[in-house]
Amino acid sequence: GAVVSQHPSWVICKSGTSVKIECRSLDFQATTMFWYRQFPKQSLMLMATSNEGSKATYEQGVEKDKFLINHASLTLSTLTVTSAHPEDSSFYICSARARDRAGTEAFFGQGTRLTVV
Amino acid sequence: AQSVTQPDIHITVSEGASLELRCNYSYGATPYLFWYVQSPGQGLQLLLKYFSGDTLVQGIKGFEAEFKRSQSSFNLRKPSVHWSDAAEYFCAVGAPFSNQFYFGTGTSLTVIP
Repeated sequence: GAVVSQHPSWVICKSGTSVKIECRSLDFQATTMFWYRQFPKQSLMLMATSNEGSKATYEQGVEKDKFLINHASLTLSTLTVTSAHPEDSSFYICSARARDRAGTEAFFGQGTRLTVV
Repeated sequence: AQSVTQPDIHITVSEGASLELRCNYSYGATPYLFWYVQSPGQGLQLLLKYFSGDTLVQGIKGFEAEFKRSQSSFNLRKPSVHWSDAAEYFCAVGAPFSNQFYFGTGTSLTVIP
């Protein structure tokens, strides 16, 4: 199956700093990537949809200036949490859909545990 | 509006017992249906999916699921649970040729010896 690699797996940062999370599709081209946030014992909440070469589409309530998403190539999308605060601590998961395969399953990264201290 | 409901927040079963996790969806057309499993601190792994055809689908790790259109359900089953099956299970629905996924709130499975 297709592989999506997310890096880093976990990160601790100081309040006020920025953190970048990478999501790569290793063996397929991903036209669309998705970023989710998951709070403990809860489901995945879609934050934004990222299409290669265009601006991301953010879900209602997600601050686009705080969660910067870039999808510069067909294999890489990044999420940057800017000026992080403790309430941004969470588990962030990306997923990618293969090019020309809309409607098929999305492949998920292993997630990034962000802790802001 | 599209939605996915997993009525059981937490289920405990004995090792070797059978398992059924419930999933109901609300969708305006024929959806694509998925079950994912998440181990603690890990990403999501696809167990199985239904797009069309045979309504009983087989997945990995001995899991199966049955799509019942009349009940808008896609329940996950396993005849004999193993201790390693303890995890969080998510049902999801997606639209054909759409990029949107909707996840249920998940069911946490505990397996006791």
